Amino acid sequence: ELKVEQNPLFLSMQEGKNYTIYCNYSTTSDRLYWYRQDPGKSLESLFVLLSNGAVKQEGRLMASLDTKARLSTLHITAAVHDLSATYFCAVDLLYGQNFVFGPGTRLSVLP
Amino acid sequence: GAVVSQHPSRVICKSGTSVKIECRSLDFQATTMFWYRQFPKQSLMLMATSNEGSKATYEQGVEKDKFLINHASLTLSTLTVTSAHPEDSSFYICSAPKAGNTEAFFGQGTRLTVV
Repeated sequence: ELKVEQNPLFLSMQEGKNYTIYCNYSTTSDRLYWYRQDPGKSLESLFVLLSNGAVKQEGRLMASLDTKARLSTLHITAAVHDLSATYFCAVDLLYGQNFVFGPGTRLSVLP
Repeated sequence: GAVVSQHPSRVICKSGTSVKIECRSLDFQATTMFWYRQFPKQSLMLMATSNEGSKATYEQGVEKDKFLINHASLTLSTLTVTSAHPEDSSFYICSAPKAGNTEAFFGQGTRLTVV
């Protein structure tokens, strides 16, 4: 059974600081997705990582994938309040987009 | 881009009644759609895979007689929560893969409250 873990589960950080969210998964896969969820809303796609060594950046967020270590990271640079949300990683084990989601990291960026 | 529309966005129903949630792919055909459930402050859990023209595939622990899924056309899947109870209150989200596209498309979600 595939397990997806995220670390940390809760993150409170000050504006302007950097931090990394980690996503570990237990079975070989080279498809890893990152999503953002605001309270009461559905998922917003952030990154789709499709191969070992993939790195993608959008604004203050950068995601990477190491399939050998079964690890993906979401790095936040110079955080701003608007980034406050819950971030999920999701593994596409069977390449059919029936995802196994991590538990989520609830990020709060304080002024 | 591809859009998946889910309706209703919110519904409140009485215990014992049934509620139908629709998930539509607006500009592409989806032979497969997925239904997820998310309890407050928790992650999303896959409930079932909806297959056009055939029976849905349910994940372990999900009651197929309680959560009826119908995928009668290539653009519409419905989830009916039958004989709803307060413990069924949750956020239900559908998604649909688009052929040839690695991005996943999620509906807006349905907040179900059973009173």
